[in-house]
Amino acid sequence: QQPVQSPQAVILREGEDAVINCSSSKALYSVHWYRQKHGEAPVFLMILLKGGEQKGHEKISASFNEKKQQSSLYLTASQLSYSGTYFCGTEIISGTYKYIFGTGTRLKVLA
Amino acid sequence: DARVTQTPRHKVTEMGQEVTMRCQPILGHNTVFWYRQTMMQGLELLAYFRNRAPLDDSGMPKDRFSAEMPDATLATLKIQPSEPRDSAVYFCASGLVRFGGQLNIQYFGAGTRLSVL
Repeated sequence: QQPVQSPQAVILREGEDAVINCSSSKALYSVHWYRQKHGEAPVFLMILLKGGEQKGHEKISASFNEKKQQSSLYLTASQLSYSGTYFCGTEIISGTYKYIFGTGTRLKVLA
Repeated sequence: DARVTQTPRHKVTEMGQEVTMRCQPILGHNTVFWYRQTMMQGLELLAYFRNRAPLDDSGMPKDRFSAEMPDATLATLKIQPSEPRDSAVYFCASGLVRFGGQLNIQYFGAGTRLSVL
């Protein structure tokens, strides 16, 4: 039931791009993306609602394909500050409300 | 600067003792979440409140865990009796659900790091 994220881990050099995927087996109401640095709390990046929406936040953008129940996070020209663990959070409404975080993707950006 | 406040930040206790964690959500938020994070399990949802009513606590071990919101400014998570396997970081998050039912941003507290010996 937990959304699966891929890849599990990725190492980049500064300036390189990365894509993180989040795939759910349940119909999604919305998808949220969070970044968590070691020893800190998760911090909100962006929310995507139903409708194939794509959003951007500086050099970080995301898309949401509700038909495929998938979301992707795009990191462009990565910076050292992008290092951390990325989680997708999914709202599932099928009778009862559920909020479930994905399995997480560890990202390390090297100088 | 509005933020979610969790206390205590760290707690070391012995097996069998009661543990109470507190959370003060951001003023005006109508949803509160309790999460547990371990290396093995990632972020697990334990309980979810909306307008102080518990809507989902299916992820919480019912025999030893309990979550309440005695008022809009305080949420509590209790473990009684605590066990070593409860050692984890417990996060509280608050957010706002607007008309239409979709959750806005979740703001996380700094977490309570619990060690049960």
